Amino acid sequence: EPEVTQTPSHQVTQMGQEVILRCVPISNHLYFYWYRQILGQKVEFLVSFYNNEISEKSEIFDDQFSVERPDGSNFTLKIRSTKLEDSAMYFCASMGQGARGYGYTFGSGTRLTVV
Amino acid sequence: AQSVTQPDIHITVSEGASLELRCNYSYGATPYLFWYVQSPGQGLQLLLKYFSGDTLVQGIKGFEAEFKRSQSSFNLRKPSVHWSDAAEYFCAVARGGATNKLIFGTGTLLAVQP
Repeated sequence: EPEVTQTPSHQVTQMGQEVILRCVPISNHLYFYWYRQILGQKVEFLVSFYNNEISEKSEIFDDQFSVERPDGSNFTLKIRSTKLEDSAMYFCASMGQGARGYGYTFGSGTRLTVV
Repeated sequence: AQSVTQPDIHITVSEGASLELRCNYSYGATPYLFWYVQSPGQGLQLLLKYFSGDTLVQGIKGFEAEFKRSQSSFNLRKPSVHWSDAAEYFCAVARGGATNKLIFGTGTLLAVQP
């Protein structure tokens, strides 16, 4: 079964540093997402990406965040200057065209720890 | 705006007992509904989904869920729980449109006692 691959699985970074989280979505999917889950809390939507542009972003997704699909296969989330409160599990997901008949496929996540 | 409520934060059941996890949603149109399971430190695994048609949906690992429009509910059930089912369970709703983002509930943590 096709998978969404995320790397690294765990990243520790110092406050103020830039981090890039990487994802390889399922190849024929058209919609891409980042979600995050702070420890012990629910999964929250960050951003959706379709047709090479952001289609929606949440209030969490401020100017410190950006997404890119640089080469048609990878999908990255960049945090420019990390804060302690950015510590969370970050999930990438992809979905085929139209929700009907498809389920979102999530990656196994990147646990980001900001120290 | 859409929302999902999982009223039970923590449930403990005995192995072999039946299980029902509650999920209520708020959404103006026909929702797309999902149940995910998350083991500690792991990712999200899709158990089942509902888009339309038969309101009783079968999923993996012996789980099923029933969509009840009149009650705005999508409860997850399993007739006999196994110790390996101990995990956190998330209900989620998606709206239509180009974004199709998922809105998650706060989760129900399931403990299974011998």
